Amino acid sequence: GAVVSQHPSWVICKSGTSVKIECRSLDFQATTMFWYRQFPKQSLMLMATSNEGSKATYEQGVEKDKFLINHASLTLSTLTVTSAHPEDSSFYICSASGRGLNEQYFGPGTRLTVT
Amino acid sequence: KQEVTQIPAALSVPEGENLVLNCSFTDSAIYNLQWFRQDPGKGLTSLLLIQSSQREQTSGRLNASLDKSSGRSTLYIAASQPGDSATYLCAGTGAGSYQLTFGKGTKLSVIP
Repeated sequence: GAVVSQHPSWVICKSGTSVKIECRSLDFQATTMFWYRQFPKQSLMLMATSNEGSKATYEQGVEKDKFLINHASLTLSTLTVTSAHPEDSSFYICSASGRGLNEQYFGPGTRLTVT
Repeated sequence: KQEVTQIPAALSVPEGENLVLNCSFTDSAIYNLQWFRQDPGKGLTSLLLIQSSQREQTSGRLNASLDKSSGRSTLYIAASQPGDSATYLCAGTGAGSYQLTFGKGTKLSVIP
């Protein structure tokens, strides 16, 4: 099956710093990638959808200047949390889909803790 | 806006018992329906995908069904095992969209 990786798996950063999370499709070309956020005991909430080579589409309430998404290649998307604050601490999960694939394939997630 | 409800929020059963997890959608215009498993602190593992032309899918001890007319899906787990303990999430897409809307999940505990 299609495999998606994320790096890092966990990160701790200080308030005010920026953190970059990578999402890679390892064995297929991901024309579309999704970024989700999951707070404890809550469901996954879609943050944004990105298509390769174009700007991401953000969901209502998600600050695009704070959560920078880049999808410059068919195998890599990055999410940068700028000027992170403790309330940004969460579990961030990416997923990817591509031509001929009828579902999203999920990465293992990144646990972000902002102190 | 699509909303997904999963009942119950938590379930504890003795090993060997059969069980049913429920999922309902406010908008019954569901295209694909997917069930996932999530272990604590981990990502999602896809269990079953019911595509638009299908009504159910089976994999081993798992069976998922979808009733589009009522906007409901069930996940049936036969002969539960302690290794089945996890949170089970259902999610659906609308026609022509990859976007998944998730429920909050059902936390299952199977007691040895």
